Amino acid sequence: DAGITQSPRHKVTETGTPVTLRCHQTENHRYMYWYRQDPGHGLRLIHYSYGVKDTDKGEVSDGYSVSRSKTEDFLLTLESATSSQTSVYFCATNTAGTAGYTFGSGTRLTVV
Amino acid sequence: GQQLNQSPQSMFIQEGEDVSMNCTSSSIFNTWLWYKQDPGEGPVLLIALYKAGELTSNGRLTAQFGITRKDSFLNISASIPSDVGIYFCAGQLSGGGADGLTFGKGTHLIIQP
Repeated sequence: DAGITQSPRHKVTETGTPVTLRCHQTENHRYMYWYRQDPGHGLRLIHYSYGVKDTDKGEVSDGYSVSRSKTEDFLLTLESATSSQTSVYFCATNTAGTAGYTFGSGTRLTVV
Repeated sequence: GQQLNQSPQSMFIQEGEDVSMNCTSSSIFNTWLWYKQDPGEGPVLLIALYKAGELTSNGRLTAQFGITRKDSFLNISASIPSDVGIYFCAGQLSGGGADGLTFGKGTHLIIQP
């Protein structure tokens, strides 16, 4: 969906380095989410945001932090990347009164 | 946390066959959703169900919200090659907002010509 852009689309990084993934939306949606997708686990919620500077933890938040300084941008940071964080990361957005989320195209992160 | 059990995990079918997959939960949801994910892309919403017992169609797709609010199924009739992908069910407590969707682990649909 052209309304949500994730960058980068692919990244390879070394263990122990910090990594930041970006999600940019043009939908003016209030709610934004970060998920990771892994074989055998499906989609799992990492963190979410319900407004500028308002964020909360999801199911698998350890090792991740987020920031939302503007409505349109939601950043996911891996403070010190580990191999277990190799995954495909999806950003999603939602607005009040609508069901389901709109997803971005994903970022494939490999930690070596 | 809540768990969604989605089955089957994978399906190998012939083109033209009908497909059926389902999702069950130990908890009640107020909204059930079905998504499809193509390779290298994010999930895309196919059908949203808002009321227990509701039966909704979208072209060759039909989905139902179980009467107990703890299950849902998705049927695809007369499958075609572009139906290949991963199908996810998702449950949501409210119609929209801050609570995250709970996803099933997905059904991989593979179509043999």
